[in-house]
Amino acid sequence: QQQVKQSPQSLIVQKGGISIINCAYENTAFDYFPWYQQFPGKGPALLIAIRPDVSEKKEGRFTISFNKSAKQFSLHIMDSQPGDSATYFCAASLRGGADGLTFGKGTHLIIQP
Amino acid sequence: KAGVTQTPRYLIKTRGQQVTLSCSPISGHRSVSWYQQTPGQGLQFLFEYFSETQRNKGNFPGRFSGRQFSNSRSEMNVSTLELGDSALYLCASRLPGQGNGYTFGSGTRLTVV
Repeated sequence: QQQVKQSPQSLIVQKGGISIINCAYENTAFDYFPWYQQFPGKGPALLIAIRPDVSEKKEGRFTISFNKSAKQFSLHIMDSQPGDSATYFCAASLRGGADGLTFGKGTHLIIQP
Repeated sequence: KAGVTQTPRYLIKTRGQQVTLSCSPISGHRSVSWYQQTPGQGLQFLFEYFSETQRNKGNFPGRFSGRQFSNSRSEMNVSTLELGDSALYLCASRLPGQGNGYTFGSGTRLTVV
């Protein structure tokens, strides 16, 4: 059972454009929703995270939008740069995190110069 | 400040053998969790340890086990290796009370032949 569904699988965006990646979850007990960025040969790195009591969180060029009623959240990358080319994973976890992170399948993002 | 260190980086084993992977968390981080990453299944939670105790385990067979030492270093063991165990094994650590903000290592690439 895939509890976090991520789309699209791959995405090509022109430099300077906005990259948008979407995720939907099923378990309403999820309490924490992070986004991770992974480059080839490296482990995932935490980009930005949100809790369900907030509808939006912005850090630099990265914004999470969260819709609790629709059980959806998305990552927006403004002014996308070639250095943003990577695989992005959304995830969710229960309060306390002892059950670990449940990840989406990932989005392979390519920013064309 | 050193990150999460995983050793070895690469490993080739034969079916039926067993393997032990090592993880040194960030200094002061007492929670350590393990994930398996494959192209087909993506990132899947294996288990988490805190203060030498396993807090939870993901949906993996008993061939997958782990432990944590008093210095928070952790090891995971896979016995009777199968071809399907070929994957990137990632370790992540976090501070207690830091919410769910995991820092991942670069992983151990295990190939079973």
